[in-house]
Amino acid sequence: DAKTTQPPSMDCAEGRAANLPCNHSTISGNEYVYWYRQIHSQGPQYIIHGLKNNETNEMASLIITEDRKSSTLILPHATLRDTAVYYCIVSLGSASNTGKLIFGQGTTLQVKP
Amino acid sequence: NAGVTQTPKFQVLKTGQSMTLQCAQDMNHNSMYWYRQDPGMGLRLIYYSASEGTTDKGEVPNGYNVSRLNKREFSLRLESAAPSQTSVYFCASSGGGRPAYGYTFGSGTRLTVV
Repeated sequence: DAKTTQPPSMDCAEGRAANLPCNHSTISGNEYVYWYRQIHSQGPQYIIHGLKNNETNEMASLIITEDRKSSTLILPHATLRDTAVYYCIVSLGSASNTGKLIFGQGTTLQVKP
Repeated sequence: NAGVTQTPKFQVLKTGQSMTLQCAQDMNHNSMYWYRQDPGMGLRLIYYSASEGTTDKGEVPNGYNVSRLNKREFSLRLESAAPSQTSVYFCASSGGGRPAYGYTFGSGTRLTVV
């Protein structure tokens, strides 16, 4: 599985968009980009994933560069409840194809009033 | 509620004791996983089961054994607990396939070995 690089921490003002970057320069053609978050000591929560195209769901948007070497998770209107550690993971996405999720250190996002 | 259930939620063990952490999912998922998370660290994969009847080692398997009892249940056993195994343990499941549409995690088991 490819490695990812994320900034260790970021701040964001409440109500503003939070843009979390992730570098994955060694990603292979069939690997997906996944984003998870972990609020306090709870179990991680799935946010979104994508392969090549940009994706959007009710939680966030995922922008993947054309060369797929980096991506950005966008929380359009951050709230205090979005304060969490955000993990960017690249994976084949199927345990049966050795596509396990391997977590890095993530980015601690602090949303401030 | 549908999801991943872990038991117990908290446990204190003495060095050398053994115990089994239980995990069950009711989403008919094929794949299940055990992770540990030490303070201030990301999650590390201990073992996983891609499908019923199969198990494989992850990043940090030493000191642990697993059993995929059936499609629903995946247990993690510590045969002789050590203080280095003090951690929060998370179980997860996924539907498998490509892509795996979102792992669902349990709420964790907080284990202290003294």
